[in-house]
Amino acid sequence: AQKVTQAQTEISVVEKEDVTLDCVYETRDTTYYLFWYKQPPSGELVFLIRRNSFDEQNEISGRYSWNFQKSTSSFNFTITASQVVDSAVYFCALSGSYNTDKLIFGTGTRLQVFP
Amino acid sequence: DTEVTQTPKHLVMGMTNKKSLKCEQHMGHRAMYWYKQKAKKPPELMFVYSYEKLSINESVPSRFSPECPNSSLLNLHLHALQPEDSALYLCASSQEFGSAQGSYNEQFFGPGTRLTVL
Repeated sequence: AQKVTQAQTEISVVEKEDVTLDCVYETRDTTYYLFWYKQPPSGELVFLIRRNSFDEQNEISGRYSWNFQKSTSSFNFTITASQVVDSAVYFCALSGSYNTDKLIFGTGTRLQVFP
Repeated sequence: DTEVTQTPKHLVMGMTNKKSLKCEQHMGHRAMYWYKQKAKKPPELMFVYSYEKLSINESVPSRFSPECPNSSLLNLHLHALQPEDSALYLCASSQEFGSAQGSYNEQFFGPGTRLTVL
């Protein structure tokens, strides 16, 4: 069975702090994809990143960085120097090698960044 | 145009009403999806259409009736809903659905319709 766990329900930080959102996944597939989506209060799901299971290189995009570790089945997301506009719910998701386009979402982490 | 649009943005309906949600994309995508998202929960897949044919129905009650009249348009017809059906309904589209092993079709999401059933 496939499962995504985001143990942090809610995180509050003050602007300019760094924050890491945790994601742990379970799958028996050898080929799979991992994703992070941002959902601001407006409701739209905004795609942030997709990572193939064979590519364990960490990625940095501006203030965002992702740490993928197959050994611990984790795909953590760090925001450096957080800003108020980063306030949103963040979802980690998984899709498998069969039915590759069916997304399994974690329960989400609500991030609040205070000025 | 890389946008998925949904109308209406908000909808309030009674349990005896019949209403429809509309989703449109002009990216040439051949797969379209309906998700339901309750407050403080992740999105849950309801239906998937591939090439205008229903591919997946995640055991959704018959009071929700999807329709895909053409490759750009996806409707969700609502009838005799219950208050517990109140949620954010998200539409998404992707190039295709159910690709060959090892590939992936990214889903583009619309802003959603916030539905309240009284």
